[in-house]
Amino acid sequence: ELKVEQNPLFLSMQEGKNYTIYCNYSTTSDRLYWYRQDPGKSLESLFVLLSNGAVKQEGRLMASLDTKARLSTLHITAAVHDLSATYFCAGRGYGNKLVFGAGTILRVKS
Amino acid sequence: SQTIHQWPATLVQPVGSPLSLECTVEGTSNPNLYWYRQAAGRGLQLLFYSVGIGQISSEVPQNLSASRPQDRQFILSSKKLLLSDSGFYLCAWSSGLAGGNEQFFGPGTRLTVL
Repeated sequence: ELKVEQNPLFLSMQEGKNYTIYCNYSTTSDRLYWYRQDPGKSLESLFVLLSNGAVKQEGRLMASLDTKARLSTLHITAAVHDLSATYFCAGRGYGNKLVFGAGTILRVKS
Repeated sequence: SQTIHQWPATLVQPVGSPLSLECTVEGTSNPNLYWYRQAAGRGLQLLFYSVGIGQISSEVPQNLSASRPQDRQFILSSKKLLLSDSGFYLCAWSSGLAGGNEQFFGPGTRLTVL
């Protein structure tokens, strides 16, 4: 059974700083997803990583996937306040169901 | 383009009352459909998923049920709500094609049971 762990669960950052959110998963998952959730809102798809070594970037966010290490990272470059949100990673489990991590609450302080 | 709707957006119900939440998807055919619940400050819990009309798989035993009366309609129900049913309910869809399982989420229904 696929298990997905994120860390840290809470991250308070200064504007302009860099940081990385880590997503480890327990068994083989051939793809990894990252979602963003603003307070009180639904989930928005950020990245879909389909293969080992995949890297995708959108603005100040960059996601990567290492299937051998069973690790995905979401790197934040020069954080700005607008990036404050909860970030979820999810792997593909049995029957094409997604298994979500607990989420990382990101707060960017000015 | 595809869109997903949920209603109502918010709901306050007394303990023991019935529940019906609706989700509809537009712009796609034969989608996979999912119901998730998110308790305050917590992650997502998959409740039900469906790969076709009348086909429902339950992930967690509880007092909720789901139905799919039409290809693009997914309904979450309860006969008697419990306090623990409070939360943010999210419907999602993914392509029914093999390998197409990126999930897209609806706006959600916030349910408070008093």
